[in-house]
Amino acid sequence: SQELEQSPQSLIVQEGKNLTINCTSSKTLYGLYWYKQKYGEGLIFLMMLQKGGEEKSHEKITAKLDEKKQQSSLHITASQPSHAGIYLCGLSGGYQKVTFGTGTKLQVIP
Amino acid sequence: EAGVAQSPRYKIIEKRQSVAFWCNPISGHATLYWYQQILGQGPKLLIQFQNNGVVDDSQLPKDRFSAERLKGVDSTLKIQPAKLEDSAVYLCASSLSGTDNQPQHFGDGTRLSIL
Repeated sequence: SQELEQSPQSLIVQEGKNLTINCTSSKTLYGLYWYKQKYGEGLIFLMMLQKGGEEKSHEKITAKLDEKKQQSSLHITASQPSHAGIYLCGLSGGYQKVTFGTGTKLQVIP
Repeated sequence: EAGVAQSPRYKIIEKRQSVAFWCNPISGHATLYWYQQILGQGPKLLIQFQNNGVVDDSQLPKDRFSAERLKGVDSTLKIQPAKLEDSAVYLCASSLSGTDNQPQHFGDGTRLSIL
């Protein structure tokens, strides 16, 4: 079974709509990363959450960490075509080892 | 700041042939990672280097995969002989240190197709 489960697996939204992607861990969350990947490219670092209850924002993307639920959520406000891609959460382990989820594919329709 | 450089971008080989990938990390980054990303999945760590020493290679199929980082800077990953299931994108990443608050920075990857 996967250490990290992401939901939904894929998402199609109309431009301007809000959306949320969830990442649930089967292990204790000491830290969690969010990355974005466009087809044929590497992963782009979005943000890192280290403490329970922590919330970070970058432009129109907000991520939260719920340590008790072993869960993180990524919320995009007023989605744009530039937000399209695959969003990956990564579980932080020792020595900066990161275990990634399977990803959520986001399409934004103009 | 220059990003992580990888080459080649694409490679097509037949099964049982050998192939090598090259990675040059961001200048000053002590930690280097190689990941395998199969279509539709998240990246899976193959090997992690701290300078020129191996920190974790538990998921590297050592009967066919090898990697080195001789001078603690750039690195090569080799597959010999290749199998059909090795078709994937091979990603290289680097980070400033091995501590948990440093994000990894990724190259664009090498897309490997095995015929």
